[in-house]
Amino acid sequence: KNQVEQSPQSLIILEGKNCTLQCNYTVSPFSNLRWYKQDTGRGPVSLTIMTFSENTKSNGRYTATLDADTKQSSLHITASQLSDSASYICVVSGDNNNDMRFGAGTRLTVKP
Amino acid sequence: DAGVTQSPTHLIKTRGQQVTLRCSPKSGHDTVSWYQQALGQGPQFIFQYYEEEERQRGNFPDRFSGHQFPNYSSELNVNALLLGDSALYLCASSYTGEQYFGPGTRLTVT
Repeated sequence: KNQVEQSPQSLIILEGKNCTLQCNYTVSPFSNLRWYKQDTGRGPVSLTIMTFSENTKSNGRYTATLDADTKQSSLHITASQLSDSASYICVVSGDNNNDMRFGAGTRLTVKP
Repeated sequence: DAGVTQSPTHLIKTRGQQVTLRCSPKSGHDTVSWYQQALGQGPQFIFQYYEEEERQRGNFPDRFSGHQFPNYSSELNVNALLLGDSALYLCASSYTGEQYFGPGTRLTVT
């Protein structure tokens, strides 16, 4: 069973709308949680990274939240743009920063 | 700084053949990790190289092997290719912290 579960699997929204992607994890012990954006056929690019003590982290129109007690994270995208169409991957690291567990990703499509 | 580079971009091979993929890490990075990403899935960790040694390995068969050179660049070799090896192969480099991913090599096995 994957230790990082993301929902929804896919999402279609209209340009300008907001959306929220979810990530639940069971990785323990926990070191940090990252959100990556991956364009089709390209490598993932880091959006945010949060440690145990951080509840929220913003990067432009992207805001990630973390609840380490419930082991849940969300990525909120504001005023979506066509270029936001991509897969968004949640990655949780255990004690060893090299031990990265990847979610399957949420495929976001922004339509005009 | 060119970032992480990978070659080739795309590759088509036949079942049973062997393939070598290459990765040059970001400047200043000494650790290289390889991942396999099937369509619609998250990346799966293959192995990691540091100081020219395999430091960690994921759940992949011995058909998958690698090498790291003194300049920190790395190769991923896959022998006896299977149809199921078709995927995007990602390389990521790091230096004690954040991993930076390359653009990937798309391998198609027919």
